[in-house]
Amino acid sequence: AQRVTQPEKLLSVFKGAPVELKCNYSYSGSPELFWYVQYSRQRLQLLLRHISRESIKGFTADLNKGETSFHLKKPFAQEEDSAMYYCALKPKNTGFQKLVFGTGTRLLVSP
Amino acid sequence: NAGVMQNPRHLVRRRGQEARLRCSPMKGHSHVYWYRQLPEEGLKFMVYLQKENIIDESGMPKERFSAEFPKEGPSILRIQQVVRGDSAAYFCASSQGQGIETGELFFGEGSRLTVL
Repeated sequence: AQRVTQPEKLLSVFKGAPVELKCNYSYSGSPELFWYVQYSRQRLQLLLRHISRESIKGFTADLNKGETSFHLKKPFAQEEDSAMYYCALKPKNTGFQKLVFGTGTRLLVSP
Repeated sequence: NAGVMQNPRHLVRRRGQEARLRCSPMKGHSHVYWYRQLPEEGLKFMVYLQKENIIDESGMPKERFSAEFPKEGPSILRIQQVVRGDSAAYFCASSQGQGIETGELFFGEGSRLTVL
């Protein structure tokens, strides 16, 4: 069975500092990895997915199959990045009902 | 498009009562998913429905929990004889397709159930 681990409950950085939110996964097959974000008083929403290979709001994430990781990075954090971030995985070529979430990391960006 | 609508946002029940949570998917979406988030945990899949059909209920507890998505009206997650351990945030999500290759899952704001 697949599992997603986000080791940090809280990550606190100053504005302008680099950010890395860690995500490790456990799955023997081909995974699809996602990052979801929940800003204060807003819905959970998709931030990015590894197959898109895109940068959203300055965030990037690279799938490292050797280390089974999908860390989320941003070179210069902004205050508006403060939110709850969830890493999620589903086996390739399966539907959304197979999506497994990590426990989330709260990012706090201070001025 | 108002997005995925869930109600009530907050629900308080005493042990033994019934809880009914409603979810209206985004317009044009026929796939509905329910997730539960217990304190300090990630979202966990409960059930996947299409209109009038339960497609996958592998995440649903065997007893007291049921879900439906009728031809008309919202999807409903029903919890009978609630216990304190049912206290959680229940999220509904919808999608246009199954999400096998493309597509996006859209979430509601959640319903927070508190069992006294």
